[in-house]
Amino acid sequence: RKEVEQDPGPFNVPEGATVAFNCTYSNSASQSFFWYRQDCRKEPKLLMSVYSSGNEDGRFTAQLNRASQYISLLIRDSKLSDSATYLCVVAGGSYIPTFGRGTSLIVHP
Amino acid sequence: GEEVAQTPKHLVRGEGQKAKLYCAPIKGHSYVFWYQQVLKNEFKFLISFQNENVFDETGMPKERFSAKCLPNSPCSLEIQATKLEDSAVYFCASSPRDVFEQYFGPGTRLTVT
Repeated sequence: RKEVEQDPGPFNVPEGATVAFNCTYSNSASQSFFWYRQDCRKEPKLLMSVYSSGNEDGRFTAQLNRASQYISLLIRDSKLSDSATYLCVVAGGSYIPTFGRGTSLIVHP
Repeated sequence: GEEVAQTPKHLVRGEGQKAKLYCAPIKGHSYVFWYQQVLKNEFKFLISFQNENVFDETGMPKERFSAKCLPNSPCSLEIQATKLEDSAVYFCASSPRDVFEQYFGPGTRLTVT
C-alpha cells in the first residue's frame, strides 16, 4: 500500500460546481498535512496547510480525519482557473514529506 | 531573494556525463529540500538540509548523487555518470522551518540522452 494515496482523476466539472478530493495516508504517526497545487508541470505551490480543526480559505476548505487517516479538500464555486493537479503532502515524525501522485481537476465552461 | 531560484532551467547530458544543478533558497529559510519528479507526478524526496548540514538523505541514491549547501553559495545537486532514468525535473524547495510551508523553485529539467 502506498504511503499517500490519491484518486488520479481527472475530475471533470462545470464552472460553479463543488468538488471534493480525498487523500489517504498509511502512517498513523503523520503530523503535518498540506495541499499543494501544480499547474502544467510547473512547480507546486502551497494551497493550504491542513489543521486538526479544519480550515477554510475563501472557496477552499481542508479537513483532517485522523481516525480514518485521510485529508480532504473541498472547492466551492469552481473556476476555470482552478484546473490543475492537486497534490496531497504528508509528513511524519521523520520529517520526510511524502507526496501523493496528485488529483487532476478540469473545470470546463 | 523572495523566490527560490534554480539554474539551469534545462540541462541535456549524454549518458555517463556529469550533471550539476543549483538552487538558491529564499533568504532567511533554514531548510532546503531536493525532489525528483518523473512522469505521472511522482515526487521522490532526495535530500534535505538544515543550513549547511544534511538533515535527511534517506532518499539519495548515494553511489552517483551528491548534494551540498555551503554558506554564501547556492546549494547544488550533482549527478555523476548520469543514466537514462535520471531524466526528470528536479525541484528544490526551501522552508523557514522543517517541512512546513515549502516554497518550490521552478525546477531544472534534466534530459539524459
